[in-house]
Amino acid sequence: EVQLVESGGGLIQPGGSLRLSCAASGFTVSSNYMSWVRQAPGKGLEWVSVIYSGGSTYYADSVKGRFTISRDNSKNTLYLQMNSLRAEDTAVYYCARDSARGVNWGQGTLVTVSS
Amino acid sequence: QSVLTQPPSVSGAPGQRVTISCTGSSSNIGAGYDVHWYQQLPGTAPKLLIYGNSNRPSGVPDRFSGSKSGTSASLAITGLQAEDEADYYCQSYDSSLSAPWVFGGGTKLTVL
Repeated sequence: EVQLVESGGGLIQPGGSLRLSCAASGFTVSSNYMSWVRQAPGKGLEWVSVIYSGGSTYYADSVKGRFTISRDNSKNTLYLQMNSLRAEDTAVYYCARDSARGVNWGQGTLVTVSS
Repeated sequence: QSVLTQPPSVSGAPGQRVTISCTGSSSNIGAGYDVHWYQQLPGTAPKLLIYGNSNRPSGVPDRFSGSKSGTSASLAITGLQAEDEADYYCQSYDSSLSAPWVFGGGTKLTVL
């Protein structure tokens, strides 16, 4: 069974850094397209970043230069390093796996950027 | 402003049929990319309802169906039930590298 478990969220001051983790089971992270998607309070879903199986990475314009997606194949885990955080980055962050049979989602982790 | 356009809200009485539209463009849905649909209950993660335009994952009732034509897609829900009240999102892919995944803004379904 495919499972995605995010962790690392919390309250952080503007300008601070946070690293989110997504532990995967039931499949191999490095063989799949993996994304981070966020949802601000009361808002819709927003794609943040993707890492393809070949290692290429892409970012939404709103986070480019501040966020870095990566993976640890030995731990079968996806990461999102978030730097220079802003109030508008406040959201639930989901990791997601793209497959031929649709997208699997984690339960999400809440990031709150506030002083 | 979302890349895919959905109505903000739809409603229907129990037992009725409702549809939710999702309109894109030639760089996403119209380019032949698959459309997925999700149901999101308050405080929970999105749940996959339809993948690949019209396929249901195991466990999703056949009251839910999806279709796609041209630059648009639709989700239909028949035999509306109270537990169907939720937010629904469509998602597709885009040829733009700056946003390879695109979402609709979400539709709130109210069961009257």
